Amino acid sequence: DAGVIQSPRHEVTEMGQEVTLRCKPISGHDYLFWYRQTMMRGLELLIYFNNNVPIDDSGMPEDRFSAKMPNASFSTLKIQPSEPRDSAVYFCASSLVGPGASEQYFGPGTRLTVT
Amino acid sequence: QKEVEQDPGPLSVPEGAIVSLNCTYSNSAFQYFMWYRQYSRKGPELLMYTYSSGNKEDGRFTAQVDKSSKYISLFIRDSQPSDSATYLCAMTPGYSSASKIIFGSGTRLSIRP
Repeated sequence: DAGVIQSPRHEVTEMGQEVTLRCKPISGHDYLFWYRQTMMRGLELLIYFNNNVPIDDSGMPEDRFSAKMPNASFSTLKIQPSEPRDSAVYFCASSLVGPGASEQYFGPGTRLTVT
Repeated sequence: QKEVEQDPGPLSVPEGAIVSLNCTYSNSAFQYFMWYRQYSRKGPELLMYTYSSGNKEDGRFTAQVDKSSKYISLFIRDSQPSDSATYLCAMTPGYSSASKIIFGSGTRLSIRP
């Protein structure tokens, strides 16, 4: 298996623009997670899905952020409009069992810079 | 106060040294404790996993949990330059769908050849 795939790997955009991050989880994994990592706040869970259904979005910073999972092999995280404080590395992860499980497999991340 | 506290480092030690990485936490409900390793420009990967108090050894790595003190440690023996990475502690109350994993902020470790 290729592991969790994320695209793009790097994204530079101007404030106010829409940003879409993409993720393909490991085949057969029922859970998908979106995390954000910054120096100040560390690794934060934004939202997770179980069988394509959003279960907990309490970590989503504000209405500018939205996430979808139209099928078992694809998820998007959208920021509209983007702001400089959204600059971070965004990770997608997947696992066989629930968020408390130890084995979460992370993708390589998308490094977002908003100028 | 954060639920999980971790010294960000950076920590620099010579090759062959014993490394000790630590985290403290405030939530007594945490039962499962993990260490993730993150190389530069990569995603975290699970390194060690322990349940409740006690020690677990895997090769050069030993994870230790002291629930009475709310303190966990990761020891690396005979450290190698390839161990240079950021180490994140993580913990969760359990396997239920409501049990999210809480990560520490990570300690950056550098092993000098």
